[in-house]
Amino acid sequence: QKEVEQDPGPLSVPEGAIVSLNCTYSNSAFQYFMWYRQYSRKGPELLMYTYSSGNKEDGRFTAQVDKSSKYISLFIRDSQPSDSATYLCAMRGNSNYQLIWGAGTKLIIKP
Amino acid sequence: KAGVTQTPRYLIKTRGQQVTLSCSPISGHRSVSWYQQTPGQGLQFLFEYFSETQRNKGNFPGRFSGRQFSNSRSEMNVSTLELGDSALYLCASSVGRWEETQYFGPGTRLLVL
Repeated sequence: QKEVEQDPGPLSVPEGAIVSLNCTYSNSAFQYFMWYRQYSRKGPELLMYTYSSGNKEDGRFTAQVDKSSKYISLFIRDSQPSDSATYLCAMRGNSNYQLIWGAGTKLIIKP
Repeated sequence: KAGVTQTPRYLIKTRGQQVTLSCSPISGHRSVSWYQQTPGQGLQFLFEYFSETQRNKGNFPGRFSGRQFSNSRSEMNVSTLELGDSALYLCASSVGRWEETQYFGPGTRLLVL
């Protein structure tokens, strides 16, 4: 079993819908949680970063961390075709710099 | 400020050959990490360099090696290429080791025939 599980999709939704992307993990030592977005033929770019549990909002994006369930989510409101990309979750603990990555979910927003 | 650059962008090699990939981090960034990305496995950490020293290494065979120069530029080398080495190789840089924001280059897509 992988340390971080993420459904590869693809997830296809109509423009304007609320999108929910999720990752589960097994290592209770993880404290730092990130979401990256990767467009085709580009490297990943950091979207959201959360420390420990709770919610964080940035514009149309909201990141949630539920450490008791070892579950993190990224919500995208009012989704746009430009949001079509692969979304990767990544996480690490306090003592190890190395990030552990999910496989990525391919998201398609249909106009 | 220029982003992370990687050369070459595309590469085709045959089994048994070796390959060297190059990464130039953002100016002022001293930490460089390398990742292998494949459709089935996602991003797999290869190694991390900081101040010309390898600080961390992922679970890859010794055929994968790297180095960092005094100007923070980094190279990775794969010897005796195998078909399974076909992947996108990504380089990421950050100011320091524990920075939460890593900036990725566009990657080098390697195809091994």
